[in-house]
Amino acid sequence: DVKVTQSSRYLVKRTGEKVFLECVQDMDHENMFWYRQDPGLGLRLIYFSYDVKMKEKGDIPEGYSVSREKKERFSLILESASTNQTSMYLCASSVGTAHGYTFGSGTRLTVV
Amino acid sequence: GQNIDQPTEMTATEGAIVQINCTYQTSGFNGLFWYQQHAGEAPTFLSYNVLDGLEEKGRFSSFLSRSKGYSYLLLKELQMKDSASYLCAVGGNQGGKLIFGQGTELSVKP
Repeated sequence: DVKVTQSSRYLVKRTGEKVFLECVQDMDHENMFWYRQDPGLGLRLIYFSYDVKMKEKGDIPEGYSVSREKKERFSLILESASTNQTSMYLCASSVGTAHGYTFGSGTRLTVV
Repeated sequence: GQNIDQPTEMTATEGAIVQINCTYQTSGFNGLFWYQQHAGEAPTFLSYNVLDGLEEKGRFSSFLSRSKGYSYLLLKELQMKDSASYLCAVGGNQGGKLIFGQGTELSVKP
């Protein structure tokens, strides 16, 4: 089975801190995605990547950046964390649309 | 614009049948997915439809009508463990990317 691993289940960070959320998949998938999930808003796409060193903005990229130096790893970076970035962050990978996504277990980030 | 609509919440009784509807308007279509998400956990894949018709998988079935921009997820013989959020997602014209609805919170009562 494809495994998508997010480094932390729970994180508490202070306003203004730089935050790194790591995601690693073990099945050589080209496509990787970062979403945030908030009550009443569903899953919103932050950034995605179809290949190493490639990245594209999703629907809500402001305040975030990403890094994909290796195929298996896709990192989400909060340059200066703010309280409105408190959310559940979900990483996903896929080989293509017909195969859907495999999600990581999520990181619940609280910014205080 | 792109839009996916599904009811916010539904309640059903253990042993019954429930149908969760999803309507969509997207630029391009590369299939429709249903995911199940239990509280505090990641979504897990339930079904995929790319052609019109019904796909059955055990207690769960999913239907698609592309001309109507409509899908439903049918859950039979409901069990308490089916209490979860059900997410409808559409693959658009940008390969690999899915657009999600807000999810339907299903509560199964004894």
